Amino acid sequence: NAGVMQNPRHLVRRRGQEARLRCSPMKGHSHVYWYRQLPEEGLKFMVYLQKENIIDESGMPKERFSAEFPKEGPSILRIQQVVRGDSAAYFCASSPPGTARRTGELFFGEGSRLTVL
Amino acid sequence: GESVGLHLPTLSVQEGDNSIINCAYSNSASDYFIWYKQESGKGPQFIIDIRSNMDKRQGQRVTVLLNKTVKHLSLQIAATQPGDSAVYFCAENSPTGANSKLTFGKGITLSVRP
Repeated sequence: NAGVMQNPRHLVRRRGQEARLRCSPMKGHSHVYWYRQLPEEGLKFMVYLQKENIIDESGMPKERFSAEFPKEGPSILRIQQVVRGDSAAYFCASSPPGTARRTGELFFGEGSRLTVL
Repeated sequence: GESVGLHLPTLSVQEGDNSIINCAYSNSASDYFIWYKQESGKGPQFIIDIRSNMDKRQGQRVTVLLNKTVKHLSLQIAATQPGDSAVYFCAENSPTGANSKLTFGKGITLSVRP
């Protein structure tokens, strides 16, 4: 039973390039969350998606960041024109319908570590 | 505003001793409080949660205590083992509508001495 799969695990980009991070939720999970973690910091909520719907994007920067969770395929977090401040670990989490609301239990992937040169 | 924070950045304990990790929160509307463990290079892993109408919950070797009067949450680990070495995060779940956004604290590093 595969867990949440994220790729790439490590990504290096130069300033101004685009970064695309992918997340496949656990089997049977239809809710996906993206969190960002800066060094020695806690995780900051970015966006919560269900299939083909963005439910809450209150943690997403207004510009350059976007997320999607299409009907088929993984969820994508896209960062355009990256800057050095975007360097962080980006974690995806998933949950079955309803459970995270009741308990707060999310299943996290191993993260994608973005380094912007 | 909402904030979840930890009192100490690091905790060093002797193998076999009990560990107590503390956390303060400020959002009285939260209905679940959760502890996550993050090992180096990995994603956070759920440990235990507690609902806001409870003050204590026990799991395997772990106990979470909730004191709503002072908005304090603690995680107790019995007979700490080297495998418990990790960063521990407290988090609160404040669902509004369809959302179940977690607010995480900064994390405390638990180091277990052999």
